[in-house]
Amino acid sequence: DVKVTQSSRYLVKRTGEKVFLECVQDMDHENMFWYRQDPGLGLRLIYFSYDVKMKEKGDIPEGYSVSREKKERFSLILESASTNQTSMYLCASSDQGLGEAFFGQGTRLTVV
Amino acid sequence: GQSLEQPSEVTAVEGAIVQINCTYQTSGFYGLSWYQQHDGGAPTFLSYNALDGLEETGRFSSFLSRSDSYGYLLLQELQMKDSASYFCAVRTGNTPLVFGKGTRLSVIA
Repeated sequence: DVKVTQSSRYLVKRTGEKVFLECVQDMDHENMFWYRQDPGLGLRLIYFSYDVKMKEKGDIPEGYSVSREKKERFSLILESASTNQTSMYLCASSDQGLGEAFFGQGTRLTVV
Repeated sequence: GQSLEQPSEVTAVEGAIVQINCTYQTSGFYGLSWYQQHDGGAPTFLSYNALDGLEETGRFSSFLSRSDSYGYLLLQELQMKDSASYFCAVRTGNTPLVFGKGTRLSVIA
């Protein structure tokens, strides 16, 4: 059974903290993505990666960075958390050339 | 840029048929995907259309017209468990999936 696993389901952090969201996939997919989901706004792409050590900015990269040191792991970093980064964060992976992405269960981050 | 439009909410009766439309504007279009997301859950893949026409998978069908930049998801024999949000997403040649804002489907008895 294919799997994308996010390290935390719920997270509460303080303003200004550095936050790490981890994502691991076991499908040997080249592509990995980070989205955030907010009510009425759908899924918005933060960063993506097509290969190890490669990263590309999505639509809303400000305030975020990513790391992909290994093929199966893609980390999202909030350099200095702010309250407007309170959201649901979804990690996904996909194979090259396919329209199907597999999502993790999501991390609901609250910044107080 | 890319944009997708889909209705924000749809309500339908159990046992009925419902169609959720999606129009898109994009360059380098490869295909249109549909995802289902229950409250508190992760989006799960339903279908992908790269060519014009209708694709059927059980009670769900998806249609694409590339010339009209339009697609729809058709759900038949609606069940209460179909109450969820449905997202269309476009795949282009050089970017990841771009999602619409989602359609919240409520199935009522």
